[in-house]
Amino acid sequence: AQTVTQSQPEMSVQEAETVTLSCTYDTSESDYYLFWYKQPPSRQMILVIRQEAYKQQNATENRFSVNFQKAAKSFSLKISDSQLGDAAMYFCAYRRDPYGGSQGNLIFGKGTKLSVKP
Amino acid sequence: DSGVTQTPKHLITATGQRVTLRCSPRSGDLSVYWYQQSLDQGLQFLIQYYNGEERAKGNILERFSAQQFPDLHSELNLSSLELGDSALYFCASSKAQGLAQETQYFGPGTRLLVL
Repeated sequence: AQTVTQSQPEMSVQEAETVTLSCTYDTSESDYYLFWYKQPPSRQMILVIRQEAYKQQNATENRFSVNFQKAAKSFSLKISDSQLGDAAMYFCAYRRDPYGGSQGNLIFGKGTKLSVKP
Repeated sequence: DSGVTQTPKHLITATGQRVTLRCSPRSGDLSVYWYQQSLDQGLQFLIQYYNGEERAKGNILERFSAQQFPDLHSELNLSSLELGDSALYFCASSKAQGLAQETQYFGPGTRLLVL
């Protein structure tokens, strides 16, 4: 079974600085998808960024980028120019390639709580 | 706003009772997923429906059931409630099952407290 591990329960960053959140996963599959979701105090789950495993290029979305290392099964999230609004729980999630009758549900890590200091 | 709606936002009930959580997916989305978020178990997948049919089951208890109606809204029924069922229940939707580019969009959740 696939598992997702976030080894940093809590992280802190100074406003305007850069922070990297770690995520590793375990799978025997070659095709899959990886996501980072943000959960602010409102509890809403917000998609931050998505990476397809077949793509070698790392995904970027404005100040958010990932470092995807397929061989190492590592998927870290880098937040540049951190803002107070970035303070939230961040969840790494894995999704199997839904082709071939596989389930499309997300498997989540335990989360990393990010604090942003002014 | 993700476009996924969930009602009610909060629910307080007693042990042994039964409740129904409702979810309306984004317009055009055929798949609905239910997730449970609790302090001890984290975020767990419960069940998926696609166009009215059950597609996948996760760690869903036998006391829990769900269905998706012809208008594509979904309901999650929780019965014989226990204290440990207190959690945040999310519904997520996506356009279809099996497409590579699918992303799941989450509703705001229903917070259930069992006393």
